[in-house]
Amino acid sequence: KQEVTQIPAALSVPEGENLVLNCSFTDSAIYNLQWFRQDPGKGLTSLLLIQSSQREQTSGRLNASLDKSSGRSTLYIAASQPGDSATYLCAVRRTGGGNKLTFGTGTQLKVEL
Amino acid sequence: DVKVTQSSRYLVKRTGEKVFLECVQDMDHENMFWYRQDPGLGLRLIYFSYDVKMKEKGDIPEGYSVSREKKERFSLILESASTNQTSMYLCASSFFLAGGRRKTGGYTFGSGTRLTVV
Repeated sequence: KQEVTQIPAALSVPEGENLVLNCSFTDSAIYNLQWFRQDPGKGLTSLLLIQSSQREQTSGRLNASLDKSSGRSTLYIAASQPGDSATYLCAVRRTGGGNKLTFGTGTQLKVEL
Repeated sequence: DVKVTQSSRYLVKRTGEKVFLECVQDMDHENMFWYRQDPGLGLRLIYFSYDVKMKEKGDIPEGYSVSREKKERFSLILESASTNQTSMYLCASSFFLAGGRRKTGGYTFGSGTRLTVV
């Protein structure tokens, strides 16, 4: 059974810092890995999607890497801003099990002025 | 640019009522999903569908049913609402991935429906 863990569970940083969020998964048989952002009381917004054959994806100040063999992904946020405050979720789409996603536990980020 | 639309942001229903949550996507996705999200429990899959008129149970299907009469619409039904079904409900859609076909594309989520059962 695929298990996805995110560390840390919560993080508070001053504005302007570069930060790294971690995601680990137990089964490397995945199609892709997706990072989401969730604001309080809202739905999930997709940030980055990495296919199993890729090593990284970039969008603006965000960079996500994938090391499938070791079961790890990182989300790097450069020059953090208060507007980045949210919960960040990673999810893996496994090759079996009917195209379903397995979600991580989430990292709650607060960027302070 | 809204691609997955959930019909209601907030709903308040009484115990015992039959409740319909509607989800519509405009991306021609085969897969559609219903999740509920609760503090400390994360996202849990209720039901999903690969195609019109087909459905499969997720991890917590008890007390729920679904309907998919058209490809773009996936409805979640609470047959007799109970207070323990108070939650945030999230709909999502994606392309079906199989055997090398369409090995791209992630999930797209709706903005969620906060349901309170009193």
